[in-house]
Amino acid sequence: EMQLAESGGGLVQPGGSLRLSCEASGFTFKDYVMNWVRQSPGKGLEWVSAIGESGGSTYYADSARGRFTISRDNVKNTLFLQMDSLRVDDTAVYFCAKRDDWKRAFDLWGQGTMVTVSS
Amino acid sequence: DIQVTQSPSTLSASVGDRVTITCRASQNINNWLAWFQQKPGKAPKLLIYKASNLESGVPSRFSGSGSGTEFTFTISSLQPGDFATYYCQHYHSYPYTFGQGTTLEIK
Repeated sequence: EMQLAESGGGLVQPGGSLRLSCEASGFTFKDYVMNWVRQSPGKGLEWVSAIGESGGSTYYADSARGRFTISRDNVKNTLFLQMDSLRVDDTAVYFCAKRDDWKRAFDLWGQGTMVTVSS
Repeated sequence: DIQVTQSPSTLSASVGDRVTITCRASQNINNWLAWFQQKPGKAPKLLIYKASNLESGVPSRFSGSGSGTEFTFTISSLQPGDFATYYCQHYHSYPYTFGQGTTLEIK
């Protein structure tokens, strides 16, 4: 069974850092573009970042560019999101999502990990 | 960046009703649009990809149509488990933006 499992969320002060992980299983991780999507409490979905299959290409939303870094380890089948200079408005559930090759849509999601930025 | 405008934000309906949600893109995205269902505390679930293709395992009462800038999502006969929030998302080019969401409520 294909699965994604996020971890690493928690409470952090404004200006702090956090590293999220997303462990993949049940599919050939290195063959797929991976994404991070977040959802602030009671709000809609916001695409945050994407990374190509080899890790050589990365893309960011304006809200993440310059503060967040997406990366992957294709040996450990794990996706990462390094979040620095965190702000209160980064508070959200962070989901990782797999992009299907042919559909190009996000066909597999993790359960999410909560990040709270507060003093 | 391509913006996606989804309407309505809330929809009240009854079991058995036919409902339609609209999504409009700020520029031509061909058919690079997906529809998701999200229930409270859960991850989004892909229902429709490439504007009109039904994801495997999704009931046929769900459908999508459109191309270019105008898209619609229809549930032909609402079932109790369909009351949830629905999102469209374009994936023509980064950033892949989502619509604002439509909450489907029981009338």
